[in-house]
Amino acid sequence: GENVEQHPSTLSVQEGDSAVIKCTYSDSASNYFPWYKQELGKRPQLIIDIRSNVGEKKDQRIAVTLNKTAKHFSLHITETQPEDSAVYFCAASRGSTLGRLYFGRGTQLTVWP
Amino acid sequence: GAGVSQSPRYKVAKRGQDVALRCDPISGHVSLFWYQQALGQGPEFLTYFQNEAQLDKSGLPSDRFFAERPEGSVSTLKIQRTQQEDSAVYLCASCPGHSGNTIYFGEGSWLTVV
Repeated sequence: GENVEQHPSTLSVQEGDSAVIKCTYSDSASNYFPWYKQELGKRPQLIIDIRSNVGEKKDQRIAVTLNKTAKHFSLHITETQPEDSAVYFCAASRGSTLGRLYFGRGTQLTVWP
Repeated sequence: GAGVSQSPRYKVAKRGQDVALRCDPISGHVSLFWYQQALGQGPEFLTYFQNEAQLDKSGLPSDRFFAERPEGSVSTLKIQRTQQEDSAVYLCASCPGHSGNTIYFGEGSWLTVV
């Protein structure tokens, strides 16, 4: 099955700085890569996703890049704000079984004002 | 409803007790998933339904875990003879069912086995 590794496990940045979280995956058949933000006690919320026919996708302060050859993808948050503080999870799945997501172990992001 | 709804939100069970966790997916969503999230970990897949058909139950950790979705809408995850290692958040998710659709998670049911 798929194995998703996520780094770092914790990340602290100053407000306004950028944050980068990296994930690798093992199954070359994976072609859908979502990122979820989860605040304490809340549901995981999709913040951005990318499919394997695209190398980069951006939505305001958030961007995701994908390198299929190296089997890694990254989340980039620019101009971080305290409300960005949360646990971020990367995930991977095959298109044929879209909902069976394989998650990384999460990154606790803390943005200091 | 506006989103995926789960109940109960919090459940404390004594070891050996049976528990039932309910999920109301977004109306009209064909696909429904159950995930287990242990403290400090990412969610792990348990099982998947398409309408009333359970197409994948390979993630269920033991035969004490059983899920059903008899009418293709509400789903119940049942855990028999609960053990301490069953303590986790159980997340339900749904999506319309077509390739490329977003998966929506519920708030989860927090199970503590004492």
